[in-house]
Amino acid sequence: EVQLVESGGGVVQPGGSLRLSCAASGFTFDDYAMHWVRQAPGKGLEWVSLISGDGGSTYYADSVKGRFTISRDNSKNSLYLQMNSLRTEDTALYYCAKGYSYGSFDYWGQGTLVTVSS
Amino acid sequence: QTVVTQEPSLTVSPGGTVTLTCASSTGAVTSGYYPNWFQQKPGQAPRALIYSTSNKHSWTPARFSGSLLGGKAALTLSGVQPEDEAEYYCLLYYGGAQLVFGGGTKLTVL
Repeated sequence: EVQLVESGGGVVQPGGSLRLSCAASGFTFDDYAMHWVRQAPGKGLEWVSLISGDGGSTYYADSVKGRFTISRDNSKNSLYLQMNSLRTEDTALYYCAKGYSYGSFDYWGQGTLVTVSS
Repeated sequence: QTVVTQEPSLTVSPGGTVTLTCASSTGAVTSGYYPNWFQQKPGQAPRALIYSTSNKHSWTPARFSGSLLGGKAALTLSGVQPEDEAEYYCLLYYGGAQLVFGGGTKLTVL
């Protein structure tokens, strides 16, 4: 059974940093790209970032480029999102999702909440 | 900035048929945008339904189908069930691994 469990969310001040983690199980982790997707309270979904299975390629939404860094440790079946220079508009539930076919995801975690507030 | 547009809300009767659409500000949606559809119920994570325009995941009920319709991606629900009441999101791929979600359609079954 595929499981994705996010952690690391919390309350942080504007300009601060936070590192999210996603622990994966139930599939061969390094065979699949992984994504981060976020959802602000009461709002829609926003794709944030993608990393290839070997970690060699990374991509970001314009809204987070230069501030967020996606990475993975295939030896630990773990995905990460380092978030720096956080803004109030980064407040959201952050989901990790397993890549599937081209440009798609199949499984999602339950999310971890990030609140950026002074 | 690329915008993906969905109907904000739709209402359908139980047993009826409804089509949700997904349009791109860049022009006609084609299979090269690899349209995806997701369902999200309140308090739950999204669930994948359709990928690459019309392909279903193993858990996708047969009453859901994806297609291209009039320059848009479309999700059709045939024989709607009360449990289909949810928010539905489309996702389009724009190349350079840029992915954009639509704003979502709130489907009410009434």
